[in-house]
Amino acid sequence: QIQLVQSGAEVKKPGASVKVSCKSSGYTFANYGISWVRQAPGQRPEWLAWLSAYTRNTNYAQSLQGRLTVTTDTSTSTAYMELVSLRSDDTAVYYCARGIPVAGKLDYWGQGTLVTVSS
Amino acid sequence: DIQMTQSPSSLSASIGDRVTITCRASQSISSYLNWYQQKPGKPPRLLIYAASSLQSGVPSRFTGSGSGTDFTLAISGLQPEDFATYYCQQSFILPPTFGGGTKVDIK
Repeated sequence: QIQLVQSGAEVKKPGASVKVSCKSSGYTFANYGISWVRQAPGQRPEWLAWLSAYTRNTNYAQSLQGRLTVTTDTSTSTAYMELVSLRSDDTAVYYCARGIPVAGKLDYWGQGTLVTVSS
Repeated sequence: DIQMTQSPSSLSASIGDRVTITCRASQSISSYLNWYQQKPGKPPRLLIYAASSLQSGVPSRFTGSGSGTDFTLAISGLQPEDFATYYCQQSFILPPTFGGGTKVDIK
């Protein structure tokens, strides 16, 4: 079955960086893209970025441009999200999801990674 | 960015009820509208894509309709496992944006 398994919870200080991994299985990784979505407590989901596992093309949300980098390792079917210069309002659950963000759907999701930014 | 507005923000219903949730886009998005269900501590689960197509494995009591700016998610014969928060999401242009959610709880 299709699964996306994310790395564990992180606690970081303001100004630090965090890198979250998302390992896919059960499908041909290179045939799909991976989106990253975050959800702050009690808030709606917020799309952050998308990466094509085949072409390595990327798109980023304007609000995080410059602080967020998404990458993939096709040899291990793993996607990564790195967020730098963390602030308290980056505290959220971060999800990876399979699919394309435009004219498409996010059909399988990771379990989520809680990132807490606190001094 | 396209703004997505859902109504109501919450509703109470009984087992077996028919429930409808509406979603309005700030501009036309054709049929590029997805619906998700989310339970506490879990990721969103795709229910409906392209406004009216049922995702594989989703019960047929969930139906989606609409196009342009106005969309509806209907649940006919509400089941105990349907009590959750529902989000719409437009996939017309970047960035994809989500509605504010509709929480369905037990009356």
